[in-house]
Amino acid sequence: EVQLVESGGGLVQPGRSLKLSCAASGFTFSDYNMAWVRQAPKKGLEWVATISYDGSSTYYRDSVKGRFTISRDNAKSTLYLQMDSLRSEDTATYYCARHHTTYFDYWGQGVMVTVSS
Amino acid sequence: DIVLTQSPALAVSLGQRATISCKTNQNVDYYGNSYMHWYQQKPGQQPKLLIYLASNLASGIPARFSGRGSGTDFTLTIDPVEADDTATYYCQQSRNLPWTFGGGTKLELK
Repeated sequence: EVQLVESGGGLVQPGRSLKLSCAASGFTFSDYNMAWVRQAPKKGLEWVATISYDGSSTYYRDSVKGRFTISRDNAKSTLYLQMDSLRSEDTATYYCARHHTTYFDYWGQGVMVTVSS
Repeated sequence: DIVLTQSPALAVSLGQRATISCKTNQNVDYYGNSYMHWYQQKPGQQPKLLIYLASNLASGIPARFSGRGSGTDFTLTIDPVEADDTATYYCQQSRNLPWTFGGGTKLELK
């Protein structure tokens, strides 16, 4: 059974940093691209970043480029999202998702990030 | 960016058909595939993949769900609707970066 378990969320002040983790199990992690998708409170879904199966390629939405870094450790079957210079508009539930070619076929339960002073 | 437009809400009766639409401002077809996908999200839960590449049923999804469309017009159909189908449904395109989602359609029972 595919499982994705996020951790690392919390309350952080604007301008500070936070690092999210996603522990994967139930599939060969190193075979799949992985992604982060977020959802602001009472809002829709927004793709944030994707990393290729081997970590050689990364893709970001414009609003997080230069501030967020997606990475992975295939030996640990873990996905990361380093978030720097956080803004209030980054407040959201962040989901880890398996990015199967062009769609997101499995999602974690999500982790809440609140950016507020 | 490709913009996906969905109606905010839809109310249907149990046992009837629900048709949820998604319109894009650019063609999402490419080399014979329509890069459109559908997800279901129940309150307090993560999204779940229902349909990929416009019309393919994801693993474990009942055949009551179906998808069709091409180009810029797509639909998700639930027939017949069951009580457990109350949720918000999102379309998503993967034709171009950034991958984008529609605003979601909340399905309610009459």
